[in-house]
Amino acid sequence: QVQLVESGGGLVKPGGSLILSCAASGFTFSDYYMRWIRQAPGKGLEWVSDISSNGDTKYYADSVKGRFTISRDNAKNSLYLQMNSLRPEDTAVYYCARDRFFVIYWGQGTLVTVSS
Amino acid sequence: ETVLTQSPGTLSLSPGERATLSCRASQSVRSSYLAWYQQKPGQAPRLLIYGASSRATGIPDRFSGSGSGTDFTLTISRLEPEDFAVYYCQQYGSSPRTFGQGTKVEV
Repeated sequence: QVQLVESGGGLVKPGGSLILSCAASGFTFSDYYMRWIRQAPGKGLEWVSDISSNGDTKYYADSVKGRFTISRDNAKNSLYLQMNSLRPEDTAVYYCARDRFFVIYWGQGTLVTVSS
Repeated sequence: ETVLTQSPGTLSLSPGERATLSCRASQSVRSSYLAWYQQKPGQAPRLLIYGASSRATGIPDRFSGSGSGTDFTLTISRLEPEDFAVYYCQQYGSSPRTFGQGTKVEV
């Protein structure tokens, strides 16, 4: 069955950096668009970034453009999110998700807290 | 960017009642590319509806979606205890993909 397992979340100071990872299994990873979606505590869902199946095409929300970088390693069935210049408003649960349009498969999420 | 506005913010109902949730888009959603999700506390969202009206695999038929253009509706015909949750709409007809702010269905 499809599994998406995020890791790398934690507490970081404003201006700091963090790398999130997502390990995928149960499907042919290299065939699918992948994305990161986040949810601030008690708030709604916000799309963060998409990456095409071969990694050539990437999209970013305006709120993270220039600070976050999405990447993937199809040989390792893994998705990444490099987060730089973190701000308190980046505090959220970050979900790894499969598919380009609507999302059928979600990870369990990893919490990123940006606070001094 | 297509802004999705959900109403009401909170819906207070009892088990067995009918729930009607609205999602309005700031511009027409291409080809009715609209999805609905259910989220319970501490869990990831679950896909209910895609293409405005198609139920996802394993979703009970008490959930139905309708609408086109800028106005979409999620209807739960008879609320079961497990249906009390937050519901989000999401459009995927244009980039960036956007979500509504959610409707909480509470007892």
